[in-house]
Amino acid sequence: NAGVTQTPKFRVLKTGQSMTLLCAQDMNHEYMYWYRQDPGMGLRLIHYSVGEGTTAKGEVPDGYNVSRLKKQNFLLGLESAAPSQTSVYFCASSYSSQTESQYFGPGTRLTVT
Amino acid sequence: AQSVTQPDIHITVSEGASLELRCNYSYGATPYLFWYVQSPGQGLQLLLKYFSGDTLVQGIKGFEAEFKRSQSSFNLRKPSVHWSDAAEYFCAVGGRGNTPLVFGKGTRLSVIA
Repeated sequence: NAGVTQTPKFRVLKTGQSMTLLCAQDMNHEYMYWYRQDPGMGLRLIHYSVGEGTTAKGEVPDGYNVSRLKKQNFLLGLESAAPSQTSVYFCASSYSSQTESQYFGPGTRLTVT
Repeated sequence: AQSVTQPDIHITVSEGASLELRCNYSYGATPYLFWYVQSPGQGLQLLLKYFSGDTLVQGIKGFEAEFKRSQSSFNLRKPSVHWSDAAEYFCAVGGRGNTPLVFGKGTRLSVIA
C-alpha cells in the first residue's frame, strides 16, 4: 500500500499561471481533504470531498477549485496563482467520516513568484 | 463551531525529561479530540484520539493524553522524551455533526541532549 501520494513534490509558478495538484489514495477511503500549511497558521482546510463526485468548501476555499471524478483521486486546481498561495499543501483521506483518523500525504511545496 | 488553542508555540526539553503539550478546545458538547505529529518535511501522523469513555487515552510512541471536560483541555504527555520526538505537534477537534476537523496552530518540540 502506498497510502496517500501527492504529485508534484515541489513546484514554482509565476503569478497568473495555473496548475493542478494530484492526490491519490489506495485505501478505498470515502473522504478526502486538501489543506494548506503556513508558518504560524497550522493546517487550514481548503476543500474536501465526502465521496466520489462530491466536493465541499472548507475554511479557505477562495482561489482554488477541486474535483473528485474517481474515488481514489482528489485534484486541487489553481486557475490563476497568486503569491498568497505560496504554501505547503497536504492531501489527506479518511475511511468514512470527518472524525476518523486522517492519513496524510507527504505534501507539495508551492512557491508563487 | 469548534475551535482549538495550543498556547505554546515552541517548547524545548532535555532528552529523558517528561513532556506535556497543552491543548484547549471550545465546543458545546463532548468533542472528538486528536493529536497528530509532523516530523520535518513530512505529512502528519495520528498519535492518538479521544471519542468517548476512558478520559486517559494511550497512543503510539509512548504518548498519552487526558481529556478534562472541566478544563476544556486535552493535554499530551510523555514520561521520557527521546531525541526522535523532536517534531511539530498538532491538536485537532471535531464536532459531533461530522463537521471538518479544526487544527491548532501547532507546538514545535525541540529536544536537547
